[in-house]
Amino acid sequence: NAGVTQTPKFRILKIGQSMTLQCTQDMNHNYMYWYRQDPGMGLKLIYYSVGAGITDKGEVPNGYNVSRSTTEDFPLRLELAAPSQTSVYFCASSYGGNERYYGYTFGSGTRLTVV
Amino acid sequence: GESVGLHLPTLSVQEGDNSIINCAYSNSASDYFIWYKQESGKGPQFIIDIRSNMDKRQGQRVTVLLNKTVKHLSLQIAATQPGDSAVYFCAENKGNTPLVFGKGTRLSVIA
Repeated sequence: NAGVTQTPKFRILKIGQSMTLQCTQDMNHNYMYWYRQDPGMGLKLIYYSVGAGITDKGEVPNGYNVSRSTTEDFPLRLELAAPSQTSVYFCASSYGGNERYYGYTFGSGTRLTVV
Repeated sequence: GESVGLHLPTLSVQEGDNSIINCAYSNSASDYFIWYKQESGKGPQFIIDIRSNMDKRQGQRVTVLLNKTVKHLSLQIAATQPGDSAVYFCAENKGNTPLVFGKGTRLSVIA
């Protein structure tokens, strides 16, 4: 049982480049989330999904896109990378519904630098 | 929008002492609160949670206190150990809305 797996762990992008951050979970969780964490700050929600085929914007969605074609996978797409997107990105998952009280399981993060 | 915040950004304690990390929340409708621990280079890890119908919950060496009157949450760590050094986040939500995280408190344990 691997939990939440994120790839890559590190990436350097040039301004204007695009990339996809991968996230997969093997716990059959319905809910999945993408957060970003800037230095010395808390986590800000980018997008989330309550199930396959359903996605919703969070607090800071601009510059990002997501898709949820399967229960397991929730990739985050960056189009036209900008220096403001330099951050650590965390994917998380949870049961949701009536079992939400068990909190989220987080991946180990992707550290992205845009230069 | 409403958000969760923290009173102190850093906290240093002697090994063996008790630690108290505080958190203020602004959404009076929140009904679930949770503490996470984040070690350097890792993702947040669940510590303990509490529902709004409770005011105290204990785990192994940790206790969470909830004061809904003043919208305050605290995490108490007993007999703090070097392995407790990390950043601690509180988070809250209502229903199935996504968790809203505070900025975090860095706990440093002095040996």
